[in-house]
Amino acid sequence: AAGVIQSPRHLIKEKRETATLKCYPIPRHDTVYWYQQGPGQDPQFLISFYEKMQSDKGSIPDRFSAQQFSDYHSELNMSSLELGDSALYFCASSAGLAGAVVNNEQFFGPGTRLTVL
Amino acid sequence: AQKITQTQPGMFVQEKEAVTLDCTYDTSDQSYGLFWYKQPSSGEMIFLIYQGSYDEQNATEGRYSLNFQKARKSANLVISASQLGDSAMYFCAMRENDYKLSFGAGTTVTVRA
Repeated sequence: AAGVIQSPRHLIKEKRETATLKCYPIPRHDTVYWYQQGPGQDPQFLISFYEKMQSDKGSIPDRFSAQQFSDYHSELNMSSLELGDSALYFCASSAGLAGAVVNNEQFFGPGTRLTVL
Repeated sequence: AQKITQTQPGMFVQEKEAVTLDCTYDTSDQSYGLFWYKQPSSGEMIFLIYQGSYDEQNATEGRYSLNFQKARKSANLVISASQLGDSAMYFCAMRENDYKLSFGAGTTVTVRA
């Protein structure tokens, strides 16, 4: 079965550079969630989209922005990178906000490991 | 306030034995869901088991079972017949009415041969 695809899997950037992370949800999933997991920490919710509209926002820095496109893939744009942005970034998808309840699951991608030097 | 509390930073278990991972939660929502995820050293987040707040029976998935005690707001994960491949970080998470997941700090399980 198709899973959530994230690219790139690994990314190394310098401070003050920009980065773009991509997420391709499971086919027919229209809801995307982004989470950030720092070293030795639990994942923290950043932002979510449902039907291309932002549905919720968590602890996402103003330097970060995200959007969901017409094909439901999502991109997380990160500017003015800081050392503290080094983390594993997960994307998860579900079949609608209601599907996150009915299907009882958010399917996680493999993550993008961002290292800021 | 912390929504999910996992009090065990790390646990050792002998191969083929059972292990219980503790999870307590805090919510004022009537409808919510509780999840357990496994994260091996490779980093991916693997869904293990789900319990809905209205489910009367404890969830089971193969060697995983969830001991749900609603009045005590606990959702402990039991892994039976531990295998070496079970060594990983385990996260308890909750989904409330806003749909996003809130995670606990995680418990590292190390299975010994």
